[in-house]
Amino acid sequence: DAGVIQSPRHEVTEMGQEVTLRCKPISGHDYLFWYRQTMMRGLELLIYFNNNVPIDDSGMPEDRFSAKMPNASFSTLKIQPSEPRDSAVYFCASSLGARGSPLHFGNGTRLTVT
Amino acid sequence: AQTVTQSQPEMSVQEAETVTLSCTYDTSENNYYLFWYKQPPSRQMILVIRQEAYKQQNATENRFSVNFQKAAKSFSLKISDSQLGDTAMYFCAFMSAGGTSYGKLTFGQGTILTVHP
Repeated sequence: DAGVIQSPRHEVTEMGQEVTLRCKPISGHDYLFWYRQTMMRGLELLIYFNNNVPIDDSGMPEDRFSAKMPNASFSTLKIQPSEPRDSAVYFCASSLGARGSPLHFGNGTRLTVT
Repeated sequence: AQTVTQSQPEMSVQEAETVTLSCTYDTSENNYYLFWYKQPPSRQMILVIRQEAYKQQNATENRFSVNFQKAAKSFSLKISDSQLGDTAMYFCAFMSAGGTSYGKLTFGQGTILTVHP
């Protein structure tokens, strides 16, 4: 089991640029989550999917953020245009939707917007 | 909405000693799940232990155990025989067992644990 795979591990970009973060969940998992971690706000849920369908996107901060899950093995989180306050670590996680199944996290993408 | 509170921003312990990290939560639900995750400097989020609210028995995983007090809405983590590799940020997390919040985790603010040699 390769675990949840995120890319890139680090991303440095200039304000105004488009950023795309990628995630491959664990095979067979039917839930996928995007979290953001900052010193000020801790771990925040941005959006999550069940069977590729967005269930709750109430945590997405602004229209600049969008997420897609075109199939069971791939998801993207896009920020366009990026701003310095978007700098954070972005985690993708997946779970098997049985009751109480723990989330398995990727290694995160550290995004720095200058 | 559920909230999770970790009142200890930082803790330290000597190697081989025992330490307890505190967590309280607020919910109106009767059935739910609680978790502790560990985040070492590598920043990977690692599951430490899981507790089902409808089980009175406290969960245990090797040196890690919990003290689950449902009425008090308290879920503390005890680490016995602390090791240097236990140095990390520890997060307490809540998961609903049903409803619109099913499946997602709500995290506390985290506690930084440092194990000293």
